[in-house]
Amino acid sequence: DTVLTQSPALAVSPGERVTISCRASESVSTGMHWYQQKPGQQPKLLIYGASNLESGVPARFSGSGSGTDFTLTIDPVEADDTATYFCQQSWNDPFTFGSGTKLEIK
Amino acid sequence: QVQLKETGPDLVQLTQTLSITCTVSGFSLTTYNVHWVRQPPGKGLEWMGAMWNGGGTDYNSAFKSRLSISRDTSKSQVFLKMNSLQTDDTAKYFCARYNYGFDYWGQGVMVTVSS
Repeated sequence: DTVLTQSPALAVSPGERVTISCRASESVSTGMHWYQQKPGQQPKLLIYGASNLESGVPARFSGSGSGTDFTLTIDPVEADDTATYFCQQSWNDPFTFGSGTKLEIK
Repeated sequence: QVQLKETGPDLVQLTQTLSITCTVSGFSLTTYNVHWVRQPPGKGLEWMGAMWNGGGTDYNSAFKSRLSISRDTSKSQVFLKMNSLQTDDTAKYFCARYNYGFDYWGQGVMVTVSS
């Protein structure tokens, strides 16, 4: 299975720029998607196909990468962005998720 | 608007079978794929399997032959059935629509496996 590795946690101040990384154990081309999950809620799609902004998601969120290295960027960060962010690949079977990066806004 | 809603038991006994229904609205099961994803308390997300729009299915081999996914298009429902439940199957179970990314999710149903 394709293993997706994410840093466990980050802490930033409002207004700053934050990058969340996801590294795949094998190429997933651009079949990478990013989700935001707040406690008690279902995940919310932010970015699909590595770099495409989902409808309704603020332009503060952006994604980049291909192959094995991907990044989700939030610029500028707002207090409401406190959440866990997951990457997910759909290029290889089975679909897999990263373990999540918990973002704290100081 | 697009909605997905999971219904199922809160509690299942050890070694028994879990059955969850995902009822969708706002789209057709013959146009979009619906997947199942679960999340143990305080942990990450795990893809379980898919019902493709053409009626085929795909399963995560981690669940071996325990898992079955089916559908009733006339009722806009997708079904998950998993047998031989263990305590580590305690999780919130979500159904989600796949459209190159899971663009819509249900609220999930929290299932506890009790011994």
